[in-house]
Amino acid sequence: EIVMTQSPATLSVSPGERATLSCRASQSVSSNLAWYQQKLGQAPRLLIYGASTRATGIPARFSGSGSGTEFTLTISSLQSEDFAVYYCQQYNNWPRGLTFGGGTKVEIK
Amino acid sequence: QLQLQESGPGLVKPSETLSLTCTVSGGSVSGSSYYWGWIRQPPGKGLEWIGTIYYSGSTYYNPSLKSRVTFSVDTSKNQFSLKLSSVTAADTAVYYCASAGPWYSSGWSFDYWGQGTLVTVSS
Repeated sequence: EIVMTQSPATLSVSPGERATLSCRASQSVSSNLAWYQQKLGQAPRLLIYGASTRATGIPARFSGSGSGTEFTLTISSLQSEDFAVYYCQQYNNWPRGLTFGGGTKVEIK
Repeated sequence: QLQLQESGPGLVKPSETLSLTCTVSGGSVSGSSYYWGWIRQPPGKGLEWIGTIYYSGSTYYNPSLKSRVTFSVDTSKNQFSLKLSSVTAADTAVYYCASAGPWYSSGWSFDYWGQGTLVTVSS
């Protein structure tokens, strides 16, 4: 099983600041990585797929980078609606063996 | 665009079988471009992939749950379903159904999700 590790567990950021979230895979997943945003009481929402491609309707302040085992989600200027939990998920062996990271909570500083 | 809606009992007794259905609208479960998945989230915890099913009936399960999980597709009702047997309190979670594909649209990530349904395992 490919283990996905996200850091930090919690990130305290002021509105308007930049947030950088990390996701590490226990083995290479190439660019087969997605990022999701989840707000309290809601289903996850796809932000990024293919490690760096924004999903339909996702604002440009969200960007993804990385390949292999190291990935980053950057929110360039945090808006109030961006405070949420973010998950990475690998799908390198689709449709088998999908795994999620443990999540990073982005909270207001 | 696709819409997914989970349905099923919100309370299941220990050792019994949890059964949920996901109804799809705005698309067809028999579409060859889509895969259908189940993901769960225990209260206050992260996401866990349960498995994925293709319209042909091909199934792919999380190894940790494989012995207890069964998926099926009902093309006549445009639904797919999850059965999880021998449940315990550890299976208490919000259960989501989701879709993935076509690959050229969103890779093989889950781009449409149901709202989720809380299933509590308790006597």
